[in-house]
Amino acid sequence: AQRVTQPEKLLSVFKGAPVELKCNYSYSGSPELFWYVQYSRQRLQLLLRHISRESIKGFTADLNKGETSFHLKKPFAQEEDSAMYYCALRGGATNKLIFGTGTLLAVQP
Amino acid sequence: KAGVTQTPRYLIKTRGQQVTLSCSPISGHRSVSWYQQTPGQGLQFLFEYFSETQRNKGNFPGRFSGRQFSNSRSEMNVSTLELGDSALYLCASSISGTRTYEQYFGPGTRLTVT
Repeated sequence: AQRVTQPEKLLSVFKGAPVELKCNYSYSGSPELFWYVQYSRQRLQLLLRHISRESIKGFTADLNKGETSFHLKKPFAQEEDSAMYYCALRGGATNKLIFGTGTLLAVQP
Repeated sequence: KAGVTQTPRYLIKTRGQQVTLSCSPISGHRSVSWYQQTPGQGLQFLFEYFSETQRNKGNFPGRFSGRQFSNSRSEMNVSTLELGDSALYLCASSISGTRTYEQYFGPGTRLTVT
């Protein structure tokens, strides 16, 4: 079965602390993995995708096929990083996304 | 470029009624996908349309249907509304169905069924 698991509903850290949002997936094949972010009162938007291998707003994510994980990391959290983060998977030649349940990141001053 | 727009933004309906939601994709985008977002189930895929054809469908009952017009605008319809249909309905558009194109989400339509 295709599934995305985000084990933490809420992650609270202090400003300047490292952040790691966990994401594990289940998919038989070669999926595309994404991180989406939703800031307060804004629409869902793409943050990262594994094929780009880029760093956005200081965030990085590495696809680990052996552990079927795609954890999101940032070395120093900022207050403006506070938002809801969703890990998502896409498999096959369609745009169907399978989302995790999301992790609310709260960065305390 | 204007973003994905959804109308109406808020809707209140009574159990048993039907509802139609509209999504206008970014100009030039031919793929439109719909998602249901609820606190209990999170974001769940409803269906995807590409060039007026339904290309993929999620695990929702037949009361949920959709269509896409030649200008790529899409509508979804829910018949015989149930209380559990209360949710935020999101649509997302993309240039095409290939892997290299980003999906852009609209602000959503908040449906409340009483």
